[in-house]
Amino acid sequence: GENVEQHPSTLSVQEGDSAVIKCTYSDSASNYFPWYKQELGKGPQLIIDIRSNVGEKKDQRIAVTLNKTAKHFSLHITETQPEDSAVYFCAASMSTDKLIFGTGTRLQVFP
Amino acid sequence: KAGVTQTPRYLIKTRGQQVTLSCSPISGHRSVSWYQQTPGQGLQFLFEYFSETQRNKGNFPGRFSGRQFSNSRSEMNVSTLELGDSALYLCASSLNSRGGLYGYTFGSGTRLTVV
Repeated sequence: GENVEQHPSTLSVQEGDSAVIKCTYSDSASNYFPWYKQELGKGPQLIIDIRSNVGEKKDQRIAVTLNKTAKHFSLHITETQPEDSAVYFCAASMSTDKLIFGTGTRLQVFP
Repeated sequence: KAGVTQTPRYLIKTRGQQVTLSCSPISGHRSVSWYQQTPGQGLQFLFEYFSETQRNKGNFPGRFSGRQFSNSRSEMNVSTLELGDSALYLCASSLNSRGGLYGYTFGSGTRLTVV
């Protein structure tokens, strides 16, 4: 079955710097790769997703890149702000299958 | 439009008891998935229901069960509770069974503590 590895487990950056979180997946049949942000006491919230027919997707300060050959995808957050502090999860799935999540990255943005 | 609603938000149960958690998906969404979140194991898939049928199941013991009603609301039940069942139980709704095509929206979860 699918397995998703996520790195790093914690990430501390200064406000205004960029943050990068990386994930690798094992099942080459996976074609959907969402990223979720989870704040304290809340459920995961979808922030951006990418499908296997696209190599990169951007939404304001957030971008995701996908390398299907190497089976890895990354989340890039530019100009980080304190409100970006949260736990971020990557996930992978085939369109008709369950989401398999990475282990999460705790991002801390210091003012 | 209302999001995914999970009730109750918090629950404390004693070992050996059973518990039922409820999830109301986004209006119009017909698929409901359940996940268990713990600090040690992360987010683990429990099961998915679509049109009142379980279409996918994770690697959890038979003490974990669920069902879906005709209005797409779902319940999950855990019998003979163990201390290790303490977790945040999350429900995610999707438009249909092709969640990977349409995406999943999560509720805020039910925090279950077993003492």
